[in-house]
Amino acid sequence: SYVLTQPPSVSVAPGQTARMTCGGYNIGSKRVHWYQQKPGQAPVLVVYDDSDRPSGIPERFSGSNSGNTATLNISRVEAGDEGDYYCQVWESSSDHYVFGPGTKVTVL
Amino acid sequence: QVQLQESGPGLVKPSQTLSLTCTVSGGSITSGHYYWSWIRQPAGKGLEWIGRVYTSGYTNYNPSLKSRVTISLDTSKNHFSLRLTSVTAADTAIYYCARVQLGFNWFDPWGQGALVTVSS
Repeated sequence: SYVLTQPPSVSVAPGQTARMTCGGYNIGSKRVHWYQQKPGQAPVLVVYDDSDRPSGIPERFSGSNSGNTATLNISRVEAGDEGDYYCQVWESSSDHYVFGPGTKVTVL
Repeated sequence: QVQLQESGPGLVKPSQTLSLTCTVSGGSITSGHYYWSWIRQPAGKGLEWIGRVYTSGYTNYNPSLKSRVTISLDTSKNHFSLRLTSVTAADTAIYYCARVQLGFNWFDPWGQGALVTVSS
């Protein structure tokens, strides 16, 4: 089955850019989606199809995907951006959805 | 705007069957082309996709749970359901329901989640 990897944690100072990766074999050939989950809340979609944002998601959230790594960037980080971030893909060969293990973002 | 809400027992005994319902409001569960999914999250851990049902009734499941899972639609009540048999403590988790549009493989929206504890 397809495996996604994410760093367990990322720390960033307010106003700086948080970068987090999602690794997978040839992930650049897939479409990657990202979710933000704050403590005690359900996940919320923040980026879909590698780099598109749902309505209501700030432009500070951006994504890219190439080769074996997809990346989610959060620019001008705010305290409210703290939480866990999960990447997700659809594995076509098995027709299943796969989540990465998540990255905890801490704003210093 | 479509909203999803999970409901069901919060406590299930080991070896018994976990049953949850996800009620859809703000739209019909059969309108459009959507997959209706269940996802779970043990405390302090990541997300695990359980399975999905299409508006036609077609289902597919995570292989790790396939032998124990059934997901079904009830169009008369505008909800879909999860049954997980022979539960153990490892099935203790927050269970979320979510929607996926056919051809677009992301989950949106999500329900708020329902905590199910497996304990005697």
